[in-house]
Amino acid sequence: DTEVTQTPKHLVMGMTNKKSLKCEQHMGHRAMYWYKQKAKKPPELMFVYSYEKLSINESVPSRFSPECPNSSLLNLHLHALQPEDSALYLCASSQETGGFEKLFFGSGTQLSVL
Amino acid sequence: AQKVTQAQTEISVVEKEDVTLDCVYETRDTTYYLFWYKQPPSGELVFLIRRNSFDEQNEISGRYSWNFQKSTSSFNFTITASQVVDSAVYFCALRDGGFKTIFGAGTRLFVKA
Repeated sequence: DTEVTQTPKHLVMGMTNKKSLKCEQHMGHRAMYWYKQKAKKPPELMFVYSYEKLSINESVPSRFSPECPNSSLLNLHLHALQPEDSALYLCASSQETGGFEKLFFGSGTQLSVL
Repeated sequence: AQKVTQAQTEISVVEKEDVTLDCVYETRDTTYYLFWYKQPPSGELVFLIRRNSFDEQNEISGRYSWNFQKSTSSFNFTITASQVVDSAVYFCALRDGGFKTIFGAGTRLFVKA
């Protein structure tokens, strides 16, 4: 199994809603990532988890709250988002966190904030 | 600071043409890693190749080939005899020994039948 699975594929939410994005991998990877990608832009790193511990937070607003319940799961909790947060949210994993590690990406959650 | 530049925003070719996607990078590290990823319309980025800074050997994989030149800080990607299925956004990326991958802006390739 070489897949990273993300749910839901599409999400529409209001600015007062609370929702969560889910990411799952069963490749035994020890590093997991959240990226945000706006249309026609490259992915931007948001968070990195290494061995289930948060290693990097790229100064992401607190309305985004990551969680790594176990080595296979990564969640992104959303609360009080703004319309400018509308984007494709990509989850990725890698075997380790070293520089040579290639990233395995999910197909993303397309988020629209109304 | 690390930086990846993909100067070509969009390229349009006719099927069976060869096409080269340019990538220029900047880093002060002596050890670093370069990658190419493909993002088809489905959304997920797919890994194509990686190179470390000590390995300048060019690589060919089927219709794909990569040319890494440290002297010009370039890591260019050529598709030979392009096909419609090659239509996608291609990202060049740079990573040091840490957690962070720096992506270039991407090149959108259109291959017309």
